[in-house]
Amino acid sequence: AQSVTQPDIHITVSEGASLELRCNYSYGATPYLFWYVQSPGQGLQLLLKYFSGDTLVQGIKGFEAEFKRSQSSFNLRKPSVHWSDAAEYFCAVGTNDYKLSFGAGTTVTVRA
Amino acid sequence: EAEVAQSPRYKITEKSQAVAFWCDPISGHATLYWYRQILGQGPELLVQFQDESVVDDSQLPKDRFSAERLKGVDSTLKIQPAELGDSAMYLCASSLSGRAENEQFFGPGTRLTVL
Repeated sequence: AQSVTQPDIHITVSEGASLELRCNYSYGATPYLFWYVQSPGQGLQLLLKYFSGDTLVQGIKGFEAEFKRSQSSFNLRKPSVHWSDAAEYFCAVGTNDYKLSFGAGTTVTVRA
Repeated sequence: EAEVAQSPRYKITEKSQAVAFWCDPISGHATLYWYRQILGQGPELLVQFQDESVVDDSQLPKDRFSAERLKGVDSTLKIQPAELGDSAMYLCASSLSGRAENEQFFGPGTRLTVL
């Protein structure tokens, strides 16, 4: 069965600093990988997704993620964080039977 | 921009009572999902519909939960009777089809508190 691990429960970063969120997955086949963001009281919004091809994926809001098969990782990055990036971030793996399995999430706090 | 609608946004109920949540997916989306998100965890799939048919309800506690999508458009998730452990955010999502590459669009959720 597939699974997703997000090792960091909470990250605090200064505004303007870079951000990296870690995601490791377990899945026997080639995975479909996603990053979602959830602001307080809101639903989830898709930031980016990887299916195949270029392992560096660009998303919305200035985010990017890199798929590393050898490390079973799909880490999310942003070069310069804005206060509006404070939210909870979820990594998810999609399987061949069209299911999404989510990690437990990483909460990002941005300090001025 | 089209959005997934959910109501109510918040629901407080006492244990053993019945509750129902409603979801209206984006027009034209054939696949509808109900997720449960416990505080501090990621969403977990409860049920998946393709049009009006249930595709997957393996994680739905069928002794107390039921879901329907009678006309293949909007959907209702019901809990009867509610238990304390049902307190969570219930998210509805929709996609064009059930294919993994189709983005799932999420509604704002219904926050359920069972007292």
